[in-house]
Amino acid sequence: EAGVAQSPRYKIIEKRQSVAFWCNPISGHATLYWYQQILGQGPKLLIQFQNNGVVDDSQLPKDRFSAERLKGVDSTLKIQPAKLEDSAVYLCASSPGTGGGVTEAFFGQGTRLTVV
Amino acid sequence: AQKVTQAQTEISVVEKEDVTLDCVYETRDTTYYLFWYKQPPSGELVFLIRRNSFDEQNEISGRYSWNFQKSTSSFNFTITASQVVDSAVYFCALSEVNDYKLSFGAGTTVTVRA
Repeated sequence: EAGVAQSPRYKIIEKRQSVAFWCNPISGHATLYWYQQILGQGPKLLIQFQNNGVVDDSQLPKDRFSAERLKGVDSTLKIQPAKLEDSAVYLCASSPGTGGGVTEAFFGQGTRLTVV
Repeated sequence: AQKVTQAQTEISVVEKEDVTLDCVYETRDTTYYLFWYKQPPSGELVFLIRRNSFDEQNEISGRYSWNFQKSTSSFNFTITASQVVDSAVYFCALSEVNDYKLSFGAGTTVTVRA
């Protein structure tokens, strides 16, 4: 079974530029997550989709971050314009369930973003 | 409020020593799930173990074992006879049945020296 795929693996941009990350979850998984992991910290949830609807985006900086999940499968996360503090690893994860409580979540290798 | 606390930031051991990682959590739910994930230098979060709140039986799986105590809200994880390949950052995480996400601790960096 293929895992969660993310691209690109690494990205370096200048501040105020735009960047987009792509995620392809495990086939059949209804729930998709984007996490931000700043160096030395645990992952923090940015946004969660269930099929193609947003369940939780309370910690997404909506003035610069946007995300979509078309047709309930692939997802893209965009930052426009980027700030220095956006330097982090962006992790995508998927989960088969749709009910309350996460019983299992599978993570991709992440995209390491450096903003200079 | 932080829901998962990993007080140890770094642990360094010599190969074959046992390593115990501490995790304390906070929740008002009676049903919840606790996890340990491993993050090697490659960056991917690898699922290790999951425990649900209504099963406090402690188990051993290979070199991994865990000690879940609801009375102290702790979910500690032990690697027995550590190996160099165990060097990674280990995260404890909580999922509440009335929530839909994993809340992670800050992680503990484990370094196993040959």
